[in-house]
Amino acid sequence: AQSVTQPDIHITVSEGASLELRCNYSYGATPYLFWYVQSPGQGLQLLLKYFSGDTLVQGIKGFEAEFKRSQSSFNLRKPSVHWSDAAEYFCAVGAGHDYKLSFGAGTTVTVRA
Amino acid sequence: DAGVIQSPRHEVTEMGQEVTLRCKPISGHDYLFWYRQTMMRGLELLIYFNNNVPIDDSGMPEDRFSAKMPNASFSTLKIQPSEPRDSAVYFCASSLDGYGYTFGSGTRLTVV
Repeated sequence: AQSVTQPDIHITVSEGASLELRCNYSYGATPYLFWYVQSPGQGLQLLLKYFSGDTLVQGIKGFEAEFKRSQSSFNLRKPSVHWSDAAEYFCAVGAGHDYKLSFGAGTTVTVRA
Repeated sequence: DAGVIQSPRHEVTEMGQEVTLRCKPISGHDYLFWYRQTMMRGLELLIYFNNNVPIDDSGMPEDRFSAKMPNASFSTLKIQPSEPRDSAVYFCASSLDGYGYTFGSGTRLTVV
């Protein structure tokens, strides 16, 4: 079965600085990969997804992620964070033959002024 | 579109009582998912439906949990009897193509 590890539980970043969130997956074939964001008291919102093709994926809110098969990683990046980016971020992996997603434990991002 | 609508937003109930959570998916979405989120276990898939038919319920914790989708615009997740360890946030999500879920805002369930 597929699984996801998000090594960082909490990250603090200054407003305007760059952000990178790490995600490592475990799956034997080509995975379907996703990043979601969750604000307090809200559901999860899809930021971006990777199925195949170009390994650099652009998403909403200025986020991008890069799929690196050799490293089994799908790290999320943003060049310049805004205070509104403070939230919890989840990486998820799907196997492709069904529609079940396995989510990582999440990374909480705090943005300081 | 109003998105995925869940009700109630908060539910507090006593142990042993029946709890019913409700979900209205986005119109036209053929897939519906129920997830549970806890601090200890994170996000877990409980069950999902395609065209109102349950496809995979392997994540349903035990027989106390049941889910139905009587039509394309409504689903319920029922817990009977409820226990304190069922306390969690329950999310419903729908999808047009199976992936790229749209989540509802969740129901925070507290069983005392």
